[in-house]
Amino acid sequence: QSALTQPASVSGSPGQSITISCTGTSSDVGSYNFVSWYQQHPGKAPKLMIYEVSNRPSGVPDRFSGSKSGNTASLSISGLQAEDEADYYCSSYTSSSTYVFGTGTKVTVL
Amino acid sequence: QVQLVQSGAEVKKPGASVKVSCKASGYTFTDYGISWVRQAPGQGLEWMGWISVYNGNTNYAQTVQDRVTMTTATSTTTVYMELRSLRSDDTAMYFCVRGGYGGPLDYWGQGTLVTVSS
Repeated sequence: QSALTQPASVSGSPGQSITISCTGTSSDVGSYNFVSWYQQHPGKAPKLMIYEVSNRPSGVPDRFSGSKSGNTASLSISGLQAEDEADYYCSSYTSSSTYVFGTGTKVTVL
Repeated sequence: QVQLVQSGAEVKKPGASVKVSCKASGYTFTDYGISWVRQAPGQGLEWMGWISVYNGNTNYAQTVQDRVTMTTATSTTTVYMELRSLRSDDTAMYFCVRGGYGGPLDYWGQGTLVTVSS
């Protein structure tokens, strides 16, 4: 199972909006709405930010939103803030009843 | 509140085995499975497998399926992950995570650093 493809880095200024893509295949992202996004600050455990493509857990700001089209999922962050600087990973359930993570994207707030 | 507390850091020699524990609290233990995810230094996340706490069913990633065993002890709300025949590229932070079988991986343990070195 190959990792989902994400851009290595994305940057934006405070207040701007950014979007991170996550491209898989018809065996994972394209077949299931079990796509999640995780935020990881250095030295910390990942934190669930989006689940089932577009749902936010309690406590996650509504600046974070998710979507999916075909084999590609996306995470958007609007009103970028300094604390959003982190690594972001997507994941998807697969046809083998396993999970696959994305390659990870480093978000930099300029 | 939901908590997953993992055992402490381990240093092992190549060829040895390691067993990491993950004690769950704050929710009905048998209502959720537990997945294990690892992260090599400076690298991305890798899903290793999942265990159903309800019936003990497991599903392992192909990359580790011949060397990993996940078990559960319902009486102590603890899940274990044992990795055998350790290699240097098994050096990583190992996380237990609530969820699996399609559900979101929603609560993460603090991580256990396993270092494999001669």
